[in-house]
Order: sequence, then C-alpha cells, then structure tokens
Amino acid sequence: EAQVTQNPRYLITVTGKKLTVTCSQNMNHEYMSWYRQDPGLGLRQIYYSMNVEVTDKGDVPEGYKVSRKEKRNFPLILESPSPNQTSLYFCASSLSGGGNQPQHFGDGTRLSIL
Amino acid sequence: KQEVTQIPAALSVPEGENLVLNCSFTDSAIYNLQWFRQDPGKGLTSLLLIQSSQREQTSGRLNASLDKSSGRSTLYIAASQPGDSATYLCAVRVAAYKYIFGTGTRLKVLA
Repeated sequence: EAQVTQNPRYLITVTGKKLTVTCSQNMNHEYMSWYRQDPGLGLRQIYYSMNVEVTDKGDVPEGYKVSRKEKRNFPLILESPSPNQTSLYFCASSLSGGGNQPQHFGDGTRLSIL
Repeated sequence: KQEVTQIPAALSVPEGENLVLNCSFTDSAIYNLQWFRQDPGKGLTSLLLIQSSQREQTSGRLNASLDKSSGRSTLYIAASQPGDSATYLCAVRVAAYKYIFGTGTRLKVLA
C-alpha cells in the first residue's frame, strides 16, 4: 500500500531533550516536506526536500533540522525542543514538488513539549 | 505575501444538501490549487488538484473551480452525506516547492 509513515504518532517530552520524528514513504517520491499545524494558523511549511541531499527552508524553519540521506526517509530533528514547538506535525511527499502532482500526507505526530 | 483564507470556519448542513466551500487567495501567481480533506486524528487526503491553466476538476460528487483573476476557488459537494463530515483545506503552490494552506472549513453533515 502506498503510504507516508510517521513515527512516533504521539510524544510528550521536556524542554531541551533532543528528539527526532521519522518520516518514510514507499512511493519513490522525489519531493518531501514537513508541516506543523496549529489552531488558527493552518499548516505551515517547515522544511522541504527536492531530492536526496537537497533541502531548503520553508516558512517556519527556526528550531528544526532535517536531512535527506535516502530518497524514502526525511527525518525532522528538534535539537533543543521548546514549549512553542508543541504542535501537530505532518510529513508529506509527492512525485515532484515542481510539477502538478498531489501531495500525500502521513497521519501526523502530536508533540507536546513541557 | 500570499495569504489563503477559508470562510466560514465551520458549517453544519442537513444530509442531502448541496453545498459550497470557499477558498480565497491574495496573489493570483499560483501554480496550482489543491483541496484536501482532514479527518480527526488522521492526515490530509487529497481530493482534487487544479492546475493554474484549468478552470475546474471533478471527482464523483465533488467539483472544484478556480478563478485565478479573482483569487477564488470553490469546492462543490453534491448531495452531502454524514460521511462527508470533516475539515476541508485548500492549499496553493506559490513556487516550485512551496505551499500555502488555508485554515480550513469544518463541515458537519447532520443525519
């Protein structure tokens, strides 16, 4: 089944403790992206990747890191999480970000930073 | 800076009604517009994608239109059903790899 898989689905942690949210897709998509969703603000793009080893900042990249060492994986890293990063996070992929292919989303990761 | 607005934020309708959801954007320089459905606890499911050169797309009971010059898109749902209850989001692609989302319309279809 074609899908985007995020782990973990839920995480409660404390300020400053490094964490990684994994994202994997099995559709051989070139483009992958991370979003956060907050009430009243909608989805905002954090980082995206056009292909292996090629990443760029979205609208809200502060406090996050990403890497794209393999085509299927695009982990989101919070080096020193803070309470303002408490949010619902989504990973998405599409065949090509520069074309007219739809984005496919994972089921989301709910992060709570205390 | 591109802004995407969806009004109303919430909508309740009786089953069987035809309804229209609205999406407006401030800059007509878009590559495409995509409508999504989001169910509680789940990710977004793509419903329809309209390229900037297109005026509408249809899938089953859904029809999406795009008017770039006025900065508007509508999602028409025919003969609504309780299973259509969800949050509907629109998103515009504003650059090769950048997307701007609206805040969504939460739809409830009453049986």
